[in-house]
Amino acid sequence: DAGVIQSPRHEVTEMGQEVTLRCKPISGHDYLFWYRQTMMRGLELLIYFNNNVPIDDSGMPEDRFSAKMPNASFSTLKIQPSEPRDSAVYFCASSKGLAGYDNEQFFGPGTRLTVL
Amino acid sequence: AQSVTQLGSHVSVSEGALVLLRCNYSSSVPPYLFWYVQYPNQGLQLLLKYTSAATLVKGINGFEAEFKKSETSFHLTKPSAHMSDAAEYFCAVTSFGNEKLTFGTGTRLTIIP
Repeated sequence: DAGVIQSPRHEVTEMGQEVTLRCKPISGHDYLFWYRQTMMRGLELLIYFNNNVPIDDSGMPEDRFSAKMPNASFSTLKIQPSEPRDSAVYFCASSKGLAGYDNEQFFGPGTRLTVL
Repeated sequence: AQSVTQLGSHVSVSEGALVLLRCNYSSSVPPYLFWYVQYPNQGLQLLLKYTSAATLVKGINGFEAEFKKSETSFHLTKPSAHMSDAAEYFCAVTSFGNEKLTFGTGTRLTIIP
């Protein structure tokens, strides 16, 4: 398996523009997680899905952020409009089941977003 | 609520020396604990995990960690550091049936030749 695939790897955009980050989880994994990593706040869970359904989006910072999972092999994280404080590395991870049932989360390589 | 605290955001050790990265947890229920490693420009990779079995856990690349309930700790060690160990290391906690992992802020390990 190719692992979790994220695109693009790097994104540079200007404030106010829409940004879409993409993720393809590992086949057969029922859970998909979106994380954000910054120097100040470390690694934060934004939202996660189970069988394509959003379960917990309490980590999404504000309404400018939205995430979808239209099918088992694809998810997007959208920021509209983007702001400089959104600059971070965004990770997608997937797992067969819950972390609390001893299921490993596999991380993608991340998307480094810079908002100017 | 669960949390982990990683003491020391930066640790430097000489090649061949002992590596010790500290993690303390807070949990009102028995925890599951994890160490992940992140190499530059890569995602996180699982090093090892504790899920209520043996308290001394061995992982990949010669790393191990010991769960100490009395000290609420799960420190990561490696007897002899290698240049390839230079990376950022994250401790994480969850509990049985929990959906999420809660990560620490990370410790950047530098190996001095």
